[in-house]
Amino acid sequence: AQSVTQLGSHVSVSEGALVLLRCNYSSSVPPYLFWYVQYPNQGLQLLLKYTSAATLVKGINGFEAEFKKSETSFHLTKPSAHMSDAAEYFCAVSPPNFGNEKLTFGTGTRLTIIP
Amino acid sequence: EPEVTQTPSHQVTQMGQEVILRCVPISNHLYFYWYRQILGQKVEFLVSFYNNEISEKSEIFDDQFSVERPDGSNFTLKIRSTKLEDSAMYFCASIEVQSSYEQYFGPGTRLTVT
Repeated sequence: AQSVTQLGSHVSVSEGALVLLRCNYSSSVPPYLFWYVQYPNQGLQLLLKYTSAATLVKGINGFEAEFKKSETSFHLTKPSAHMSDAAEYFCAVSPPNFGNEKLTFGTGTRLTIIP
Repeated sequence: EPEVTQTPSHQVTQMGQEVILRCVPISNHLYFYWYRQILGQKVEFLVSFYNNEISEKSEIFDDQFSVERPDGSNFTLKIRSTKLEDSAMYFCASIEVQSSYEQYFGPGTRLTVT
């Protein structure tokens, strides 16, 4: 069975500082990995995805993540935080099959930006 | 931009009552999903649906749950006899084709069972 662990249910960073949200996965084979963002009262929006191509993945809103097989990690980063980045972030994993597999989510990290 | 819509945004029901949660996936999407998130917990997979039948379901998706695509546009989740522990946010999602990898999520329906 696949799973993801998100370290830190709450992360606070100052505006302009580096954002680092951690995600580690457990899978018998290299999986597909995703980061979703949820703004208040909205659905989940895909930030970026890793589907066995380049290990450094760039997404929307200046976010990127690097797939590290040796560390079983897929941490999300952004060089400079903006107030609009305040949201809940979810890491998710799926089997590397045909792209229509179910997602298994982590518990989420709430990102707060300090002015 | 096309989006997945869900109604109602909030549903309050009494224990033992039936509820139907509605979703309108993006029109050319072929795979459909329901997930739920109990307050403070993970988003959990419930069921996937393709070609008018269930593709996969989780242990949560017991005989009290059913899904249907009644008219080619709506995708519904029915809970026959709600329990207190069914209180959660329910998300619908859809994918265009088998290899698109991106599930588009609706805004969710918050179900409160009293």
